[in-house]
Amino acid sequence: GAVVSQHPSWVICKSGTSVKIECRSLDFQATTMFWYRQFPKQSLMLMATSNEGSKATYEQGVEKDKFLINHASLTLSTLTVTSAHPEDSSFYICSALGDGEAFFGQGTRLTVV
Amino acid sequence: GQQLNQSPQSMFIQEGEDVSMNCTSSSIFNTWLWYKQDPGEGPVLLIALYKAGELTSNGRLTAQFGITRKDSFLNISASIPSDVGIYFCAGVSDGSGTYKYIFGTGTRLKVLA
Repeated sequence: GAVVSQHPSWVICKSGTSVKIECRSLDFQATTMFWYRQFPKQSLMLMATSNEGSKATYEQGVEKDKFLINHASLTLSTLTVTSAHPEDSSFYICSALGDGEAFFGQGTRLTVV
Repeated sequence: GQQLNQSPQSMFIQEGEDVSMNCTSSSIFNTWLWYKQDPGEGPVLLIALYKAGELTSNGRLTAQFGITRKDSFLNISASIPSDVGIYFCAGVSDGSGTYKYIFGTGTRLKVLA
């Protein structure tokens, strides 16, 4: 199946700093990518839908100024957690839509200390 | 964010037993998907269902797309220890060319050898 690469797989950062997470579709072009957040023992919660070349659509309750999404090319979307706080610590997962099917990245575990 | 109701939340079963889990929604979906997620990784697609009433098998897995398009179930037959993990259903709506994947709350499966 298609491959989606997410980087980094884990990151530890200090409170107040920003962290960028990359999501790449390696063997297909993805006009649409999704970003999810997952707390321990919970399901994936959709944060935003990102379309190449346009602004991301954020789900209700997700701060767009805090979670900056850029989808500058058909193979890359980035999520930047700005001014990170300990409560932002979570598992972030991206998925890329190809041929009507979503393929998931490996996830990024963010720990803010 | 929106989530689908999935049950049971968790289950312990003996190796060789059959397992059944289901997902319900108040909304109609065009596609139902079932994923398995291992700790620290992204979800991996198990089965995809595209038509109401569709019954699809993948090895020991069988899933059905409910006639009302508001529910789906997944069966695992003759479970083995490597079936352990978290199983998520996902409903896909694709109105007006916009795809949205909504995940269920998850079923945590533990198989006792």
